[in-house]
Amino acid sequence: RKEVEQDPGPFNVPEGATVAFNCTYSNSASQSFFWYRQDCRKEPKLLMSVYSSGNEDGRFTAQLNRASQYISLLIRDSKLSDSATYLCATERDGYNFNKFYFGSGTKLNVKP
Amino acid sequence: DVKVTQSSRYLVKRTGEKVFLECVQDMDHENMFWYRQDPGLGLRLIYFSYDVKMKEKGDIPEGYSVSREKKERFSLILESASTNQTSMYLCASSLRQTLSNQPQHFGDGTRLSIL
Repeated sequence: RKEVEQDPGPFNVPEGATVAFNCTYSNSASQSFFWYRQDCRKEPKLLMSVYSSGNEDGRFTAQLNRASQYISLLIRDSKLSDSATYLCATERDGYNFNKFYFGSGTKLNVKP
Repeated sequence: DVKVTQSSRYLVKRTGEKVFLECVQDMDHENMFWYRQDPGLGLRLIYFSYDVKMKEKGDIPEGYSVSREKKERFSLILESASTNQTSMYLCASSLRQTLSNQPQHFGDGTRLSIL
């Protein structure tokens, strides 16, 4: 079983819509969580960290559900420029160093 | 802002060549990583390093080696390039990973084609 799993999509939504993605993780020892955005043929860029109490950055809201082992990303009032692939990532303790895991990404297409 | 710089955006090499991909970061990060990304397979970790001269195998180290002689520089080496190593290669860095909530920051990527 993969450490981190995401629905690959694509999610096709009209401009102005609200869209949410989930990302499940298999190891309950995961301690840090992140969302990245990746544009076509570009590198992943950190969108936001995900904190236990949930956090918001403008139109983006990230939530963590430890009981069910998933994180979510909610995008309100979608813009055409939000079209991208969204990767989730988790981190957990290792022996000498923490281990980082990425999901394969969820593709979002925002249509006019 | 964190700056991770990869030496080439696009590179074309021939089968059997020894290929060097260079990565430099300017934020004094302890950890550095090399990934490859292929359609449908997501990011796959090749090697990482948590200190100078230290290296650890990732999920797909076969056919690759790495070098970390200085803290800011992490090199990926394809010992004898093969066509199945055609891919997008991404370098990343992060602060010491025994601290939690330290995201990885990526370079622009190198699109490597092996003919």
